[in-house]
Amino acid sequence: GIQVEQSPPDLILQEGANSTLRCNFSDSVNNLQWFHQNPWGQLINLFYIPSGTKQNGRLSATTVATERYSLLYISSSQTTDSGVYFCAVEPLITGGGNKLTFGTGTQLKVEL
Amino acid sequence: DTAVSQTPKYLVTQMGNDKSIKCEQNLGHDTMYWYKQDSKKFLKIMFSYNNKELIINETVPNRFSPKSPDKAHLNLHINSLELGDSAVYFCASSQGGRGYEQYFGPGTRLTVT
Repeated sequence: GIQVEQSPPDLILQEGANSTLRCNFSDSVNNLQWFHQNPWGQLINLFYIPSGTKQNGRLSATTVATERYSLLYISSSQTTDSGVYFCAVEPLITGGGNKLTFGTGTQLKVEL
Repeated sequence: DTAVSQTPKYLVTQMGNDKSIKCEQNLGHDTMYWYKQDSKKFLKIMFSYNNKELIINETVPNRFSPKSPDKAHLNLHINSLELGDSAVYFCASSQGGRGYEQYFGPGTRLTVT
């Protein structure tokens, strides 16, 4: 099946710093989503971005589908950004049905 | 209004018991899913239903039985619970099948003692 790798696995930032999270995937996709799992366990949709660039406030994401990677940018980080960031993909070609395959996540901690 | 809701939020039970988790979505979506997040936070698909029809059964033990009474509901029944079933179970939904954005519920933390 499709492989999804995220880097870095762990990241500690001072409040106000910027960061870039990376997601590499092994096959063509027709769905790519970024999620934030907050310290209370909720999975929050950040971006639906199988290709192109999107921005939402301090967050932006870019997916280069032809090169099989996606980047999540966090600017001016805040303590509320802490949590785990997941990339999840749905392969373009699949045996049947639709399912997201998740990466192992980036654990982010933002300190004062 | 909560888009995808699950009950209960927490479930603590003993080995060998049978339990159910309920999921409801009010987004008008026709595809629903169950995902499992293990203790290392790894998320994996378990089941997918489209218009009440089972589409994906990802080699889950047959002690797990999903049931979709209608498009807005997808329940998960687990028989003979085992210690290894302890996890967080997430329900999700999407407007259609392939290629559509999936939205997740708040999760149900199951602890088997």
